[in-house]
Amino acid sequence: SQTIHQWPATLVQPVGSPLSLECTVEGTSNPNLYWYRQAAGRGLQLLFYSVGIGQISSEVPQNLSASRPQDRQFILSSKKLLLSDSGFYLCAWRVAGTGDTQYFGPGTRLTVL
Amino acid sequence: AQSVTQLDSHVSVSEGTPVLLRCNYSSSYSPSLFWYVQHPNKGLQLLLKYTSAATLVKGINGFEAEFKKSETSFHLTKPSAHMSDAAEYFCAAGGNNRLAFGKGNQVVVIP
Repeated sequence: SQTIHQWPATLVQPVGSPLSLECTVEGTSNPNLYWYRQAAGRGLQLLFYSVGIGQISSEVPQNLSASRPQDRQFILSSKKLLLSDSGFYLCAWRVAGTGDTQYFGPGTRLTVL
Repeated sequence: AQSVTQLDSHVSVSEGTPVLLRCNYSSSYSPSLFWYVQHPNKGLQLLLKYTSAATLVKGINGFEAEFKKSETSFHLTKPSAHMSDAAEYFCAAGGNNRLAFGKGNQVVVIP
């Protein structure tokens, strides 16, 4: 069966520091991968999605970037965090060509101080 | 582009009474539709999905939803609320390799 992991689970970082969040999927090949952010009271915002290694689509211009160095690994990064980057970050995967269902990871709570 | 509207950002129900969460979508075609549930500081869990088969869809934990094309709706119901149903619920419409989410319903269950 497929599983999705995210780490770290929680993170407290100072403004201006770098960020790296990791997401990995097990039990499937060539998944579509997604990064979402939930800020307080603002619902789910799609940040990036990827249909394959090295292929990244950015949904919203911002302080963040994403990379997919391996088939089942998706990384969210920032060079310098802003206060507004605080939130709950969710990674999701989908089997390409089998419908729109996405399956979500447990999330990372990021607090920027 | 698709969009999803969820009214009533906060919903309070008494334990043992029915739950109704409303979802309306806007799409140029019949999309796939989903309900997800999120407990505090957890990821989203799929409750149920509609993908152009039966219009009444049964999901986990006693939830069900009915697709009504004429009303562009996909409301979520449960006959009897349980304390464990306290969570946030998201409706989503699928298409073009992505999901469009509503803003969510925060459900509080009163004992």
